[in-house]
Order: sequence, then C-alpha cells, then structure tokens
Amino acid sequence: DSGVTQTPKHLITATGQRVTLRCSPRSGDLSVYWYQQSLDQGLQFLIQYYNGEERAKGNILERFSAQQFPDLHSELNLSSLELGDSALYFCASSYLAGESYNSPLHFGNGTRLTVT
Amino acid sequence: GQQVMQIPQYQHVQEGEDFTTYCNSSTTLSNIQWYKQRPGGHPVFLIQLVKSGEVKKQKRLTFQFGEAKKNSSLHITATQTTDVGTYFCAGPYEGGGSNYKLTFGKGTLLTVNP
Repeated sequence: DSGVTQTPKHLITATGQRVTLRCSPRSGDLSVYWYQQSLDQGLQFLIQYYNGEERAKGNILERFSAQQFPDLHSELNLSSLELGDSALYFCASSYLAGESYNSPLHFGNGTRLTVT
Repeated sequence: GQQVMQIPQYQHVQEGEDFTTYCNSSTTLSNIQWYKQRPGGHPVFLIQLVKSGEVKKQKRLTFQFGEAKKNSSLHITATQTTDVGTYFCAGPYEGGGSNYKLTFGKGTLLTVNP
C-alpha cells in the first residue's frame, strides 16, 4: 500500500461529459502529480502541485484542469470528454522540499476512465 | 523537449535467463529513477541513482547510471516469474529553478516463461 488514495477506481461516461478524479497524497507528502497512462503513450506527465501551488505543467490539455486544496488533496477535472481520453489516470505524491529534485514518487492505484 | 527513450519495448525470457533494459535521455539528468509496474498495478519505486557512473544492487537487480548522466540500465540476473512487469526509467527535467517534471520512458514489458 503506497498510502496514496485515488477515487473512483473506475469511471464510465459519455463523450462531452465532465468528470472529477480525486487524490489524497501520502501523509506528509506535499507534492502531487497527475499522470495519464494509455497503451501507446506510456506514462504522460500532466501536472504537478506543491503545497497548493502549481509547480510544473506537462502535456495537459486545455480541457483538463487540476488543483490542490489546503488539506493537500488534489482533484483533476476532465471536461468535454472525447473517446481518446480513455486511459488510466494516476496520481502520485512525494515529499518535495524546496528545490530538491530527488523525491521518489508514490503512486495511487489509478482511476480507469472509459469514455463511450 | 526532454525525451527519455527505453529499449527494448518488450522482452520475453525463459525463467533463469538474464534481462537488461536500457534508458537514454536526450538531456543530462540530475538523477534517474526506476519503477516497476506489475500487470494491473501501479508503478512502484525501485531505486534512484544520482552520481555519474553510479552502480547500485538490489538482490538480483543491478542498476547503472552512465558517466555522462544521460543513460542508465537495469539488469536482472536469473529472472523469476515474480519479475514479470513493466520497468520504467524516469528522469527529472534539469531545467533549473523549481521546474520539476519527472519524465518517464515508455517502459520495457518483461514476461517470463516458467
């Protein structure tokens, strides 16, 4: 058990809809990351938050947004969903102190999103 | 942008054979991390290498970081069925400041025939 909690485990929705994925980081971890995993693209970095603030952005679509709340949990919002958004979405957390880059990630079990 | 390439994409071995996966970055990495994802599971951190030329061992697994800090390898000796999974390397973007983006390779899927 990594200590990172993601809900829901599975989500099935229709094109054009909007969903929210939730992540609670490991106790003590300040940084949260979101990754998208699909068969042909591997693990794609979407966005990172540190202590409530956006720290880094990857290949996140404009239809997607995220935030980290004061209690450090994070939500990833996906809107105007398309078939191609079907994937496994992972949240990960790490203890990232200041400028340290050397913080291993602890992944949650993921949310499998299916867009029909 | 930074790219992390991993080869091979797939590797099937007989139990007891050795296995190696290679990771190459287009830019210098401040460190490299390795993760393992079992089928149906989530990536699990294995190890981190920081120093140029560093070699670390975990039982049958040997990890190396290249002298130029642009490549790395993971070698498994005498594979077992429990080694099945996808092995990912990942490196942070060395861009200074606080721009930390852990970029993953596409992984090497290892299957082991008992």
